[in-house]
Amino acid sequence: GAGVSQSPRYKVAKRGQDVALRCDPISGHVSLFWYQQALGQGPEFLTYFQNEAQLDKSGLPSDRFFAERPEGSVSTLKIQRTQQEDSAVYLCASSLGPPGQGGNTIYFGEGSWLTVV
Amino acid sequence: AQSVTQLDSQVPVFEEAPVELRCNYSSSVSVYLFWYVQYPNQGLQLLLKYLSGSTLVKGINGFEAEFNKSQTSFHLRKPSVHISDTAEYFCAVSDLSGANNLFFGTGTRLTVIP
Repeated sequence: GAGVSQSPRYKVAKRGQDVALRCDPISGHVSLFWYQQALGQGPEFLTYFQNEAQLDKSGLPSDRFFAERPEGSVSTLKIQRTQQEDSAVYLCASSLGPPGQGGNTIYFGEGSWLTVV
Repeated sequence: AQSVTQLDSQVPVFEEAPVELRCNYSSSVSVYLFWYVQYPNQGLQLLLKYLSGSTLVKGINGFEAEFNKSQTSFHLRKPSVHISDTAEYFCAVSDLSGANNLFFGTGTRLTVIP
């Protein structure tokens, strides 16, 4: 596609509910990232995939957060038993090559806005 | 580890006036530096990036930034702002090893006043 596409754009979940957020990266992009952006803050790294391999998940805040990219294209970020502190914008991003290659440009989607009530 | 400090959370400026958005970084290794812009309800868009070479980097929409290694700064400038420049601006850093992630500052809200 022309850009990184995320769905749903907006999600309201009751505390304790599970949610799944989808990301369609730019076609052919090897690298895929998830970031969490709390209100009034900058984005914070969650996890990184190179093709289908999850190479870095150091930013996932708890074991309630799980991400996958089984076929190396579409990715899903799943949050189990949502808590109010999970309320944030979840940004997906992709880049053509792996990190370290001349500072590949990272392209961001518009984000999925999650509100936990 | 890297960190980024954006000293101003909000910057109001009149239309057609110049603007500078400040960014300082901390890192024990050499870094790549980036500025992103975020318009309301939209994702982040890359304005410009510094990888190596000339310390003055020109980006889209008339913005430019200057890398100053001794002051560990990467301030963003525009000589004459437009109403359409009203947005949130984020400075970000990644290390030269190509660490898998970008470290972002907390952002500066630029408001252009007619």
